[in-house]
Amino acid sequence: AQSVTQLGSHVSVSEGALVLLRCNYSSSVPPYLFWYVQYPNQGLQLLLKYTSAATLVKGINGFEAEFKKSETSFHLTKPSAHMSDAAEYFCAVSQGTSYDKVIFGPGTSLSVIP
Amino acid sequence: DAGVTQSPTHLIKTRGQHVTLRCSPISGHKSVSWYQQVLGQGPQFIFQYYEKEERGRGNFPDRFSARQFPNYSSELNVNALLLGDSALYLCASSFDPGQGGGTSGNTQYFGPGTRLTVL
Repeated sequence: AQSVTQLGSHVSVSEGALVLLRCNYSSSVPPYLFWYVQYPNQGLQLLLKYTSAATLVKGINGFEAEFKKSETSFHLTKPSAHMSDAAEYFCAVSQGTSYDKVIFGPGTSLSVIP
Repeated sequence: DAGVTQSPTHLIKTRGQHVTLRCSPISGHKSVSWYQQVLGQGPQFIFQYYEKEERGRGNFPDRFSARQFPNYSSELNVNALLLGDSALYLCASSFDPGQGGGTSGNTQYFGPGTRLTVL
């Protein structure tokens, strides 16, 4: 069965510092991988998606993620944190079935300290 | 272009009651999925519908049901509400080319959710 783990339920960084949010997945087939962001009292917004076209995926708002098959990881990074980046971040995986069942990780809450 | 819309935004019910949540997908999207997000957790997959047919179902009891209409909008119904059903219910739509039995990995676009509180 597929699963997603996110190391660190809460991460705090200083404004301007590197953001690193960790995600590891388990999948028996090559997966589709996603990062979503959720601001308070809102739905989920897609940051980026891995589809096997390239291992380094660039997303919106300066975020990017690198797919490492050997480590079964898909960590999210941003070189310089902004106050507006404070939110909940979810890593997710979709398996190669006939429908779009997406498995979400538990989420990482990112705080940005001025 | 309008995104995924959901109604109502908030709902308060008591145990044992029934609730209906509604979702309108992005124009041109034929696939709708429903997720339950309990406070402090990631969303859990409930259903996916494509062309009015149930394509996939998560590990939820039969009290949960859904349907999709000819205009691709969808309803999620929950019967005999329990306290544990209190959650944010998210609807997502995706453009699925519908090749053969369907394809996975399509990007899902989420609505703002309906916050259900069961007292």
